[in-house]
Amino acid sequence: AQRVTQPEKLLSVFKGAPVELKCNYSYSGSPELFWYVQYSRQRLQLLLRHISRESIKGFTADLNKGETSFHLKKPFAQEEDSAMYYCALGEGSNYKLTFGKGTLLTVNP
Amino acid sequence: DTGVSQDPRHKITKRGQNVTFRCDPISEHNRLYWYRQTLGQGPEFLTYFQNEAQLEKSRLLSDRFSAERPKGSFSTLEIQRTEQGDSAMYLCASNSNRQGQFFGPGTRLTVL
Repeated sequence: AQRVTQPEKLLSVFKGAPVELKCNYSYSGSPELFWYVQYSRQRLQLLLRHISRESIKGFTADLNKGETSFHLKKPFAQEEDSAMYYCALGEGSNYKLTFGKGTLLTVNP
Repeated sequence: DTGVSQDPRHKITKRGQNVTFRCDPISEHNRLYWYRQTLGQGPEFLTYFQNEAQLEKSRLLSDRFSAERPKGSFSTLEIQRTEQGDSAMYLCASNSNRQGQFFGPGTRLTVL
């Protein structure tokens, strides 16, 4: 069965430090991976799609099929990056999403 | 169009009552999804529409749950005979083709 694992519930870093939020998946087909972010009191927002291979707000994520991972990285964390981050796997032709449990990132001043 | 909207934002009900939630997707999106999120968990898929057709339902969607999208625009999710275990945030999302999904603010249901 498809599964998304985010091993860290909480991650705390200092401003300016590098940050990496881990995501591993299991899926028998060809995966589509996403990162979503939820800032305090806001709705869930799409941050990155692996297909786009883009950098948003300084974040990047590379799909590693060998390690079945899609880790989210940013070289220099900012306080405004503090939020809940969810990794999600898109399945099949309907692209329903399977989410991980999320990682709460706190960037300290 | 300011994005996906959901109504109400909060609903408190007593066990055994029926509740109905509404979702208005982004107007040009033909796909609409319902998810449920409980504390400490990521959203879990409930059901999916392409236009007015309900194409997939999760095993999480018991017989007490029903969803409709009558004209391929807004959607409703009804829960009959609510139970305390139904307390959760109910999220709606929409998209077209192979996009990421755009989420609404959610409806928080509390069953007393």
